[in-house]
Amino acid sequence: DQQVKQNSPSLSVQEGRISILNCDYTNSMFDYFLWYKKYPAEGPTFLISISSIKDKNEDGRFTVFLNKSAKHLSLHIVPSQPGDSAVYFCAASAREAGTASKLTFGTGTRLQVTL
Amino acid sequence: NAGVTQTPKFQVLKTGQSMTLQCAQDMNHNSMYWYRQDPGMGLRLIYYSASEGTTDKGEVPNGYNVSRLNKREFSLRLESAAPSQTSVYFCASRKGGNQPQHFGDGTRLSIL
Repeated sequence: DQQVKQNSPSLSVQEGRISILNCDYTNSMFDYFLWYKKYPAEGPTFLISISSIKDKNEDGRFTVFLNKSAKHLSLHIVPSQPGDSAVYFCAASAREAGTASKLTFGTGTRLQVTL
Repeated sequence: NAGVTQTPKFQVLKTGQSMTLQCAQDMNHNSMYWYRQDPGMGLRLIYYSASEGTTDKGEVPNGYNVSRLNKREFSLRLESAAPSQTSVYFCASRKGGNQPQHFGDGTRLSIL
């Protein structure tokens, strides 16, 4: 039972254009969402997060949008750069008393930014 | 600034052998985690430690044991390795609250 889904395994975007990566979740208890970026042979690196009390969070070229009614979030990268080429993971957690904020990850989307 | 350090980076084992993967963080984080990443499956939580002295099972704990040796170190042990445990293993740590998890660069483990 995949609680966090990234239905697009790969995405190719031209340099300078917008990249939109999508993520859907099924668990209504999830209240905190994160995006991680991963290069080959490295660990995931935190990119941006959003709490369920917000619908948008922006950090430079990266913006995350949350639609709670649709259980959907998206990551926008504008403008896309060749260095953004990586695998992007969506992750979610539920605030539960006494736990360590466990993350549930999606399967990832490989973004390729072409020249 | 080392962050999260995992050793070894690569290991090949034979079925039935035992192995301990080491993880250490220098950020004074309270919580630590072990994940495995398999092709097409994202990262799955094996075990975690909310704080020094506590450990709990994650989504896929079977075949593994962990030890939170102190606040800095969290090890993952395979007592009798099986080919199904061939994977890339990631350790992570987190300070608390809504702070994100920070990951090491992984251990690539192959079991023949």
